[in-house]
Amino acid sequence: QLQLQESGPGLVKPSETLSLTCTVSGGSISSSSYYWGWIRQPPGKSLEWIGNIFYTGSTYYNPSLKSRVTIAVDTSRNQFSLRLSSVTAADTAVYYCASNRRDYIWGSYTPPRTFDYWGQGALVTVSS
Amino acid sequence: QSALTQPRSVSGSPGQSVTVSCTGSGSDVGGYNYVSWHQQHPGKAPKLIIYDVSKRPSGVPDRFSGSRSGNTASLTISGLQAEDEADYYCCSYAGSYTMVFGGGTKLTVL
Repeated sequence: QLQLQESGPGLVKPSETLSLTCTVSGGSISSSSYYWGWIRQPPGKSLEWIGNIFYTGSTYYNPSLKSRVTIAVDTSRNQFSLRLSSVTAADTAVYYCASNRRDYIWGSYTPPRTFDYWGQGALVTVSS
Repeated sequence: QSALTQPRSVSGSPGQSVTVSCTGSGSDVGGYNYVSWHQQHPGKAPKLIIYDVSKRPSGVPDRFSGSRSGNTASLTISGLQAEDEADYYCCSYAGSYTMVFGGGTKLTVL
């Protein structure tokens, strides 16, 4: 069973860049059976999809965040990362990393469609 | 890309059934067989309980079921138990390798 763990600074200053890393255990990040994703949840609010990455480096971003988001994969460390630039207080949230299953159905691979294993989440506060 | 619409809250008594709706459009919920549901207890990470509209991951009780009609997906919980009290979020593939979540529904077990 996959296990995911977020890590990174819990406090970021406004206008700076938020950086988080997700370490995957119990499986290889280079597996063709998964995409890897980031989701966030502001305090008391709903979940928001940030983006996904495949081990080849192909990335897929939420259009509303695309200009500020970079997701990368490090296969040698079995990790993937999130960078969100020019942060404001509105970016204060619990950030989750998760696996996103990829299946071969009816002659083609499925797109990223469901998060099956989640990390415990990392609270990142944007404040001076 | 707009969030999917869910009722803010639903409630039911132990043993009863409750249904949570998730309304989108033909570009997401109605356009693909890729709706999932996640359960989140306070202070915890979400947990997948339904995927591909109606499939249950291993270990999820069959009291949880999913369905879809047109642009609205539904999660039904039968035989309600106290431990089912949580927030529930729907999620859908929205084309072009993007995804969208619902606003979340708080389930109260009376």
